[in-house]
Amino acid sequence: GDSVTQMEGPVTLSEEAFLTINCTYTATGYPSLFWYVQYPGEGLQLLLKATKADDKGSNKGFEATYRKETTSFHLEKGSVQVSDSAVYFCALRPSYDKVIFGPGTSLSVIP
Amino acid sequence: SAVISQKPSRDICQRGTSLTIQCQVDSQVTMMFWYRQQPGQSLTLIATANQGSEATYESGFVIDKFPISRPNLTFSTLTVSNMSPEDSSIYLCSVVGLAGVNEQFFGPGTRLTVL
Repeated sequence: GDSVTQMEGPVTLSEEAFLTINCTYTATGYPSLFWYVQYPGEGLQLLLKATKADDKGSNKGFEATYRKETTSFHLEKGSVQVSDSAVYFCALRPSYDKVIFGPGTSLSVIP
Repeated sequence: SAVISQKPSRDICQRGTSLTIQCQVDSQVTMMFWYRQQPGQSLTLIATANQGSEATYESGFVIDKFPISRPNLTFSTLTVSNMSPEDSSIYLCSVVGLAGVNEQFFGPGTRLTVL
C-alpha cells in the first residue's frame, strides 16, 4: 500500500544552519505531496504542498520539490530559526483519498 | 479554506467510560475523516465518516470501539467507547472541501487522557 518514510529524528541544529529533512514515498498513480508542521502544544498546520511532478512547494522559507523519478519530497530551508523548532510530517494523498502521514521528524533549533 | 471546530478541546476520563467528540465545519465538505495521534507518534487514520451510511474503518479499528456518525455535510461525531489508558491520544477531525480536492484541512484536535 501507499506509505511515507522520513529521516529519523530528533534533529538538532544551530540557528542559521541549513536544514534538510528527507522524505520518500511509495504510491501508485500520482499522489499529491505535503509537509505539515506541528509546533509544541499546537495543532497540525499545512506548511507546503505539491500536486504534480517537478512542482516546488514553498512557504516561510521552506521548500520541497516533487521528484517522481526518485519518489522523494525533501524539505529544505536555508537558514533555520529557533521558532522553526517543531515536528515535521511528510504526507501524501492519493487522488480523491485520505492523507497518509510519515512518522514525523522532530527539529530543535538552538541559539 | 474550511474552518473546523472540535468539542471538547480536551478531557480527562475514567477507564471504562465513553467520550463523544464533535466536529463542526463552517462549510459543506465532501469528505470527513477521523485521525488519532498517540503520544510522540504520527497521525493514524481511524475511519472515513460517510454521510448517511456507516463509516469506513481502517485496519485495526472497529465500529464497536469507535462509533462514528455523520448526519449531514458539516458535522460528525466520534465516540471512544469503553476507554482504557491506551486510548489516551489526540483525536483530529479532517475534511476535504468542496472547492479543492487537493486541500485537506485538520481541526485543532481533542486531547484525551484516560486514567
